[in-house]
Amino acid sequence: NAGVTQTPKFQVLKTGQSMTLQCAQDMNHNSMYWYRQDPGMGLRLIYYSASEGTTDKGEVPNGYNVSRLNKREFSLRLESAAPSQTSVYFCASSRGRGLSGELFFGEGSRLTVL
Amino acid sequence: ILNVEQSPQSLHVQEGDSTNFTCSFPSSNFYALHWYRWETAKSPEALFVMTLNGDEKKKGRISATLNTKEGYSYLYIKGSQPEDSATYLCAFYSGGSNYKLTFGKGTLLTVNP
Repeated sequence: NAGVTQTPKFQVLKTGQSMTLQCAQDMNHNSMYWYRQDPGMGLRLIYYSASEGTTDKGEVPNGYNVSRLNKREFSLRLESAAPSQTSVYFCASSRGRGLSGELFFGEGSRLTVL
Repeated sequence: ILNVEQSPQSLHVQEGDSTNFTCSFPSSNFYALHWYRWETAKSPEALFVMTLNGDEKKKGRISATLNTKEGYSYLYIKGSQPEDSATYLCAFYSGGSNYKLTFGKGTLLTVNP
């Protein structure tokens, strides 16, 4: 079982370039999330999608956009990358609405912005 | 701003030792407390999701307790093994329509053989 799949796993960008991180889950989960992990900080929520067709801002949404393409897929777009967006990005999903159930994480995407 | 604190930041133990660490979270507006295990170069994996005050959960040699009234949870590992080496994350959810899970910074456990 694939679970949560993220692509790409590694990416180097120049300041100002754009890119999209792709995420797909095959567990028929309703909710999907994008987090970033920075040294010395806990995982921080960028955006989430409680269900197909809805998206909402998390804790650190500035500089990002998201699309919930269908129930399986949730993409994260950086329109004009900045060095402050150098981070490891994790996509996650959960079965129901709300967080009384566990998150399932992808393997992460390491992004470096020069 | 919700504060989720984990202590200690890091811990070194010998194989066979039992150990525990703490997660502190706001005692008001509690809905759920998550524990995750995160091995280097892998993705976090859920250990427990706890929702009831006084709850105790167990998975093999790992167990957790929850005190929502005072705002803390303990994670215990009995007879630590080198494969238990990982970062252990806790995360607090206050419920409602905001799907925000606030993560602590984690406790890095190293088990020496």
